[in-house]
Formats: sequence, structure tokens, C-alpha cells
Amino acid sequence: SQTIHQWPATLVQPVGSPLSLECTVEGTSNPNLYWYRQAAGRGLQLLFYSVGIGQISSEVPQNLSASRPQDRQFILSSKKLLLSDSGFYLCAWSPRGYIQYFGAGTRLSVL
Amino acid sequence: GQQLNQSPQSMFIQEGEDVSMNCTSSSIFNTWLWYKQEPGEGPVLLIALYKAGELTSNGRLTAQFGITRKDSFLNISASIPSDVGIYFCAGHPNRDDKIIFGKGTRLHILP
Repeated sequence: SQTIHQWPATLVQPVGSPLSLECTVEGTSNPNLYWYRQAAGRGLQLLFYSVGIGQISSEVPQNLSASRPQDRQFILSSKKLLLSDSGFYLCAWSPRGYIQYFGAGTRLSVL
Repeated sequence: GQQLNQSPQSMFIQEGEDVSMNCTSSSIFNTWLWYKQEPGEGPVLLIALYKAGELTSNGRLTAQFGITRKDSFLNISASIPSDVGIYFCAGHPNRDDKIIFGKGTRLHILP
């Protein structure tokens, strides 16, 4: 069966520091991968998605970037965090199609 | 762009009551999905709907794919405390690899 792992679960970072969140999927190959951000009590905002290695689509201009160095690995990065980058970050995967399966999320607090 | 209007935004109900929530759009969707998110966790898929008019159950949950393909409904019967959470609808417009999420319905159950 397929599983998705996200880490870390919680992260507290100072403003101006770099960021790297990692997501990996097991038990499948060539998945679509997605990064979402969720502000407290709000909906899901799609940040990036990828349909293959090295292929990244950005949905919202921002301070973040994404990379897919391997088939089942998706990384969310920032060179310098802003206060507004705080939130709950969710990684999701999908077989070719539409149903998305989510990881447990990373709660990022930028202070 | 395409949007999903999910209502109500929040609900306060007594344990044992039935719950209804819905999602509407001005655009046609080919797949409707319902997710539940508990605090601090990623959304979990509850029900997937693939055909207009389809009615699908998962335990006490029942969801329907509207005949016009522009709406979907989720009902929860005889609510229990563990039903607390945020319920998201999502639709797939079948043109790309993304799905569109509603802003969620937050369900509270009063003791």
C-alpha cells in the first residue's frame, strides 16, 4: 500500500532563516505531488504541483520554491522566511488522475 | 478561475442530530470528493463520486453528485463527538492535474 511521509511535524524558525520541508511517497511510482498551505482555520491553498521529476508548476507567486529531485520526493524551500510564511503545510500525492492523499502536515511558526 | 462555494461555513449541533452540508459551483465537475480534516492532521478522503446523480455511503456518511454536475451534498446521520472537524468538498474539472477545494465546513458538536 502507498504511504506519504512529511517531516518535520513542527518547526519554529526565525524570520530570515532558510526553510526545507520534505515529503516522500512510498509504494507507488510517478505520482503527481502537491504542496498546500493552510492558514489557521482556513481552506487549502495550492502552492506547487509536480507531474514528474524536475517539473514544477507554481500556483501563487511567493517567497517559496519547490523541487522534485527524485520521483517520490518533493521539497518545499525558502531562502529567507517571512512572518507571513507561518502556517500548516500539507503535501499530497495522486495517481494519474484526481484523488489526492495527504500527509500529516508540518506546522511552521516563523517568529 | 473556478471556485467552489461550500456552506455552511460552520455548524453547531447536538450529538445525535443529522448534518447536511453542500458545495456548489458555476462550472461543471467530473468528480466530486469529500474530505475530513481533524485538528493538526491532514485531510482524509471520505467519499469519491464519479457520476452525475450518484449516491454513495460510507457508514453514517452519504454524499451525492448533483444531476447538474455543479453541486454535491454530504449528509452525516446521528452525529457523534468524533465527527468534529473540518469537512472539505473538492471537485475535479478534468482538464488538468489539479482539484479545486471548497473553503470547508467546520462541524462542532455540543455536549
